[in-house]
Amino acid sequence: NAGVMQNPRHLVRRRGQEARLRCSPMKGHSHVYWYRQLPEEGLKFMVYLQKENIIDESGMPKERFSAEFPKEGPSILRIQQVVRGDSAAYFCASSLSGAEAFFGQGTRLTVV
Amino acid sequence: GIQVEQSPPDLILQEGANSTLRCNFSDSVNNLQWFHQNPWGQLINLFYIPSGTKQNGRLSATTVATERYSLLYISSSQTTDSGVYFCAVGTGGSYIPTFGRGTSLIVHP
Repeated sequence: NAGVMQNPRHLVRRRGQEARLRCSPMKGHSHVYWYRQLPEEGLKFMVYLQKENIIDESGMPKERFSAEFPKEGPSILRIQQVVRGDSAAYFCASSLSGAEAFFGQGTRLTVV
Repeated sequence: GIQVEQSPPDLILQEGANSTLRCNFSDSVNNLQWFHQNPWGQLINLFYIPSGTKQNGRLSATTVATERYSLLYISSSQTTDSGVYFCAVGTGGSYIPTFGRGTSLIVHP
């Protein structure tokens, strides 16, 4: 059973470009979470999704950030018009029933 | 929202030493996990332990939910134990893991 898969592992974008981060949950998992981690800090919650629904987006910046988890395919975290402050590690997690969460290896976004 | 405090923030050990990491939380929880983030950044599940005691090899964990804390014990530490240990908790109907700031552990050979 494959774990949570995130891609790309590393992403470099110029200021003003768009970043798309993908997350394929573990097989059978319908709950997906996105987190952001800055250097030397803990993980900050961004958004919680179930298939085709956003359950809680209280940690998501109001502008430029969006997330989706379509019926088919991976969950996508989209950052439009990236700025240097968006540089961070973005982690995705999935769970079977909203209990134990399993994390992917993260996407390291660098904005130059 | 719920507050999660981990202590100590930093810990340096010699190989073979034992240690106890603590996680305090400000409200009742119905989910609690311990993770190890290795030096490559990968988050590894250690325990899912909303209550009670569990053991896995040299690691064990205890959560006393009524007193709002959890402990992670590492015995006979090895250099590969180095990294950051996070506690994450959830409360209410939907489990959205809320993380503490972590304990950074360095084990010297």
